Amino acid sequence: NAGVTQTPKFQVLKTGQSMTLQCAQDMNHEYMSWYRQDPGMGLRLIHYSVGAGITDQGEVPNGYNVSRSTTEDFPLRLLSAAPSQTSVYFCASSYSLEGGGTEAFFGQGTRLTVV
Amino acid sequence: AQKITQTQPGMFVQEKEAVTLDCTYDTSDQSYGLFWYKQPSSGEMIFLIYQGSYDEQNATEGRYSLNFQKARKSANLVISASQLGDSAMYFCAMREGGSYIPTFGRGTSLIVHP
Repeated sequence: NAGVTQTPKFQVLKTGQSMTLQCAQDMNHEYMSWYRQDPGMGLRLIHYSVGAGITDQGEVPNGYNVSRSTTEDFPLRLLSAAPSQTSVYFCASSYSLEGGGTEAFFGQGTRLTVV
Repeated sequence: AQKITQTQPGMFVQEKEAVTLDCTYDTSDQSYGLFWYKQPSSGEMIFLIYQGSYDEQNATEGRYSLNFQKARKSANLVISASQLGDSAMYFCAMREGGSYIPTFGRGTSLIVHP
């Protein structure tokens, strides 16, 4: 059972380049999200999705786009990379239970450096 | 205002002793869930424990327990009999109401000394 798979694990970009971080889950979870982790800031929510075709902004959405055409995939696009986007990015998925939700299942993370 | 506050940037504990990591939260929802995650130096996020707002008993998972004080809006993680492998970052998180997307605190770095 693969769980949540993120690719790539490491990436170096030049300022102004664009790229897509891939996230796929094989657990049929409705909810998917992208976070960025910076030292001393914890995990901050970038964008999230509550189902295929539905996305919304989180706390720090600027400079990022998402789409969710299938339940399994939730790619994160950096439109024009900036050094401020140097961070570790995590994708997560979860599902609802009667009376509450589950924990978020995380991918292994992508370490992105923008030079 | 922060939804999740972890006031201890760093904590130190002796091996085999217990340690409490603090977490306070802010929500006006009656239904919510609280989580703790561990992030070792390898970077992966490991789910430890969950407490629902309507759960009357404090959650426990092996050496981990969650000291849930609803009136004080606190959800402290207690690790009993610390081990060297417990050295890691620990994050408290909350999901509110009908949202299944958790909000995270800034984390506490725990170092276990031999």
